[in-house]
Amino acid sequence: GDSVTQMEGPVTLSEEAFLTINCTYTATGYPSLFWYVQYPGEGLQLLLKATKADDKGSNKGFEATYRKETTSFHLEKGSVQVSDSAVYFCALSVSQGGTYKYIFGTGTRLKVLA
Amino acid sequence: NAGVTQTPKFRILKIGQSMTLQCTQDMNHNYMYWYRQDPGMGLKLIYYSVGAGITDKGEVPNGYNVSRSTTEDFPLRLELAAPSQTSVYFCASSYGRGRGIEQYFGPGTRLTVT
Repeated sequence: GDSVTQMEGPVTLSEEAFLTINCTYTATGYPSLFWYVQYPGEGLQLLLKATKADDKGSNKGFEATYRKETTSFHLEKGSVQVSDSAVYFCALSVSQGGTYKYIFGTGTRLKVLA
Repeated sequence: NAGVTQTPKFRILKIGQSMTLQCTQDMNHNYMYWYRQDPGMGLKLIYYSVGAGITDKGEVPNGYNVSRSTTEDFPLRLELAAPSQTSVYFCASSYGRGRGIEQYFGPGTRLTVT
């Protein structure tokens, strides 16, 4: 079935370090891919998305490229800040039976130390 | 715009009690969703609605009921609470359900059943 697998956390980094959070997926159709972020005490909010192969989503210095050949959508940022501390969710949406199904990963907690 | 709001933020229930989790959105979205998130797991869809008066089951509907009398409100009812319903509950909405369409989330309700 359709699924999303992302790296387990927590991930602890020093400020200005490089960040990678891995995400791979399986899907029976041609999915759209998303990264959502959840800051403490808040709901999930969209960070970036990509809807077709080789698309790059970007926002707030974060980037992820839709890699169909490796079924991956890894999240990267060149220099993290303390304010990036949050939980990051990889997700996909895919057509199923005339509607769309959304599937979320388990979330990866990022802690950035000053 | 307040976006998606949920009440209460926290609640402790005794086994067998009932309660309603409230969800309201002010974005005039037709689609609304209820998810639960258990520790170490991704979000699981409980129920969703495609518009006022129309609801349908998700992956894990047992033990829950919903109604959608207005576009804005989508309450989730727990009857006869059980410890297995201890979880964090998220309400979400979207303007559609198609390729690349994001969901907007509320801040969540943390429920403990003892």
